[in-house]
Amino acid sequence: DAGVIQSPRHEVTEMGQEVTLRCKPISGHDYLFWYRQTMMRGLELLIYFNNNVPIDDSGMPEDRFSAKMPNASFSTLKIQPSEPRDSAVYFCASSRTTLASYNEQFFGPGTRLTVL
Amino acid sequence: KNQVEQSPQSLIILEGKNCTLQCNYTVSPFSNLRWYKQDTGRGPVSLTIMTFSENTKSNGRYTATLDADTKQSSLHITASQLSDSASYICVVSPLEYGNKLVFGAGTILRVKS
Repeated sequence: DAGVIQSPRHEVTEMGQEVTLRCKPISGHDYLFWYRQTMMRGLELLIYFNNNVPIDDSGMPEDRFSAKMPNASFSTLKIQPSEPRDSAVYFCASSRTTLASYNEQFFGPGTRLTVL
Repeated sequence: KNQVEQSPQSLIILEGKNCTLQCNYTVSPFSNLRWYKQDTGRGPVSLTIMTFSENTKSNGRYTATLDADTKQSSLHITASQLSDSASYICVVSPLEYGNKLVFGAGTILRVKS
């Protein structure tokens, strides 16, 4: 299994530009999570989906952020317009429902976003 | 407020030595507690997951303990190797919102030769 795939790995853009981050979850996983990691705030959950449906987007910082999951194998996180304070590493993670009392989340390699 | 506090913030040890990382949490009730290892430039990787009823779990040279009464967990690394250099993150899953994990800030471990 290739694991969670994210693209691009690095993105440098100018303030005001639109940024789109992409994620392909592990095949067969029914949960998908978007996280943001900064030195100041650590890892923060932005939004998560179950069976392609957004379940909780309370972590999305502002209306400039939006996420979609058009099918089970693809999700996007879009920032429009981008601002310097959006600079961070964005992780996608996926998990699958099991009989255990917990779902282990598998993280992708992350996208390092720099907004100038 | 649900919080996870980790100590120390950073640690330097010599290769071959043992070390213990600490995690205190206020998340209650909780479903499980996880330890993740995050290498520089990579995503976190799960080391151990313990439910609230488990006291200890091992994964090779990594042993995690959990005391639900005192709301403390520790991660013990035995016979450290250079490849153990990473950030170690303690994560708690609240019982009510199982998928909304609460992350600690992490302990940065550096193993020197």
